[in-house]
Amino acid sequence: QKEVEQNSGPLSVPEGAIASLNCTYSDRGSQSFFWYRQYSGKSPELIMSIYSNGDKEDGRFTAQLNKASQYVSLLIRDSQPSDSATYLCAVKGYYGQNFVFGPGTRLSVLP
Amino acid sequence: EAQVTQNPRYLITVTGKKLTVTCSQNMNHEYMSWYRQDPGLGLRQIYYSMNVEVTDKGDVPEGYKVSRKEKRNFPLILESPSPNQTSLYFCASSPPGGGNYRGEQYFGPGTRLTVT
Repeated sequence: QKEVEQNSGPLSVPEGAIASLNCTYSDRGSQSFFWYRQYSGKSPELIMSIYSNGDKEDGRFTAQLNKASQYVSLLIRDSQPSDSATYLCAVKGYYGQNFVFGPGTRLSVLP
Repeated sequence: EAQVTQNPRYLITVTGKKLTVTCSQNMNHEYMSWYRQDPGLGLRQIYYSMNVEVTDKGDVPEGYKVSRKEKRNFPLILESPSPNQTSLYFCASSPPGGGNYRGEQYFGPGTRLTVT
């Protein structure tokens, strides 16, 4: 059974700080990694994808992937109260067509 | 407006009474999927479909059926619902050209199902 683990939180950071969200996965064959954001009562929305080791930056978001350690992270710089949401890590294998999501980390950015 | 729609949005039913949750997308997406979301467990994939008449099981398919007779529709069928199927259900679709490989899933608004 493929597993994706995240700290459930809540993770609280002050406005303007860097929020660091972590995710580990069990399937070494996983090839594609994603971060979704889900506001309370809303649907998930894709914010970052990463496929190779290293860092990928998009605006205030940076995804980091370390396949050897089976570890994915998301950094949110200059955190804003509007970033308060649950962040879901998702993993997809190379041959499989299904996605496995982690339980999500709830982030609270305090004004 | 490009969107994924689900109906109904809320449903309360009794054990054993067959129900169908509809999902429709107007974006000509080939890949469609159903998830359930439970507290502490995150999103778990029930079934997915790569195209018309092509469906496959996700991680938690027991107690569910799907069909894909048209590209735009992907209904989820619970033939004999039980209380452990009480959950929040999401339908999602991905654009062609490998969208599902890139993780670009567009989610519907969700259906909250309660089985008593």
